[in-house]
Amino acid sequence: DQQVKQNSPSLSVQEGRISILNCDYTNSMFDYFLWYKKYPAEGPTFLISISSIKDKNEDGRFTVFLNKSAKHLSLHIVPSQPGDSAVYFCAASGNQFYFGTGTSLTVIP
Amino acid sequence: EAGVAQSPRYKIIEKRQSVAFWCNPISGHATLYWYQQILGQGPKLLIQFQNNGVVDDSQLPKDRFSAERLKGVDSTLKIQPAKLEDSAVYLCASSLGLAGTYEQFFGPGTRLTVL
Repeated sequence: DQQVKQNSPSLSVQEGRISILNCDYTNSMFDYFLWYKKYPAEGPTFLISISSIKDKNEDGRFTVFLNKSAKHLSLHIVPSQPGDSAVYFCAASGNQFYFGTGTSLTVIP
Repeated sequence: EAGVAQSPRYKIIEKRQSVAFWCNPISGHATLYWYQQILGQGPKLLIQFQNNGVVDDSQLPKDRFSAERLKGVDSTLKIQPAKLEDSAVYLCASSLGLAGTYEQFFGPGTRLTVL
């Protein structure tokens, strides 16, 4: 049973434009949500997180939005840069950690 | 600050053989995690330690997988005997405290191929 879902396996965006990565979850008891970025042959690295009591968290070019009623979160990257090309995983935390299947982002120069 | 270390980076074995992976977390991190990431999927938590005690091993196939964290520092994950479906990247991560508010730091992973 996939409790965290990323329905878009891939996304291509032009450099300088906005990248929007989406994530849906099923368990309303999750209290923390995180985004990780992964380059090939490396482990995931933490990008940004948001508590379930908030609806927005911003860190530089990265903003995460949380819509609890829709059980949906999204990561916005503005402006997108070629170095942002990677696989992005969303994750949710409750009594356990659950990762989505990942979205491969390609930023075209 | 040194990151999470894992070895080996790659391992190829035949089915029914045994294999062991090693992880050294970031110094001072009380919580250690082992994940299995099958190609095209997200990481799946296998086991979580808090110091040298097991917090969660509900998704660990205990008939063939075992893990230990002696002295609450480094950890080993063993598979015995291996099956074809165990082919995956095994990721180790550590954090200061339990998941959620504490960021997890991941190692580079061990890519296991079972033939």
